[in-house]
Amino acid sequence: AQTVTQSQPEMSVQEAETVTLSCTYDTSESNYYLFWYKQPPSRQMILVIRQEAYKQQNATENRFSVNFQKAAKSFSLKISDSQLGDTAMYFCAFTRPANNNDMRFGAGTRLTVKP
Amino acid sequence: GAVVSQHPSWVICKSGTSVKIECRSLDFQATTMFWYRQFPKQSLMLMATSNEGSKATYEQGVEKDKFLINHASLTLSTLTVTSAHPEDSSFYICSAPRTAFSYEQYFGPGTRLTVT
Repeated sequence: AQTVTQSQPEMSVQEAETVTLSCTYDTSESNYYLFWYKQPPSRQMILVIRQEAYKQQNATENRFSVNFQKAAKSFSLKISDSQLGDTAMYFCAFTRPANNNDMRFGAGTRLTVKP
Repeated sequence: GAVVSQHPSWVICKSGTSVKIECRSLDFQATTMFWYRQFPKQSLMLMATSNEGSKATYEQGVEKDKFLINHASLTLSTLTVTSAHPEDSSFYICSAPRTAFSYEQYFGPGTRLTVT
């Protein structure tokens, strides 16, 4: 079974500081993709960042970066210079081309950025 | 970017009735769409994969006869919750990949179903 684990149900961070959300996954596939999605109160899923498993270089999108450790099956998200608008649920997700690219999600981490 | 819409955004129905939720790809054709269910403060759980022109593939534990999926065109998939009960109340989200070989999904805004 392919699983995604987020071990931090809730986290908080002071505005302008840095926070790291953890995610581990389990798969026997060699070709797969990893994502972090943000779900604000509107509940619209917003892609934050993605990482192709075959790429060794960690993905970066402005204030968001990942630490992808393939051997350890770890995919953490670092948010730098946290902003109040970053307050949301964050889901780690995994998809496999071999299975129609269906997406599996972790349980989520509720992040609160405090002023 | 690609846009996926859902209709309605919120629906209230009485126990025992059926309700249909539509998922549309607005600026691209989607041969595959996915349906997810999200309970309050929980994650998205994949319910089924909707395939244009063929039967949907359901995840283990999802009742096929209760959650009817039809993907009759390249831009529309529908989820019908039949004989709805209060425990079917949830947030339903659809998604679609931009192309048949794309790994990136575009998500609809979701539909909140309340069964009274």
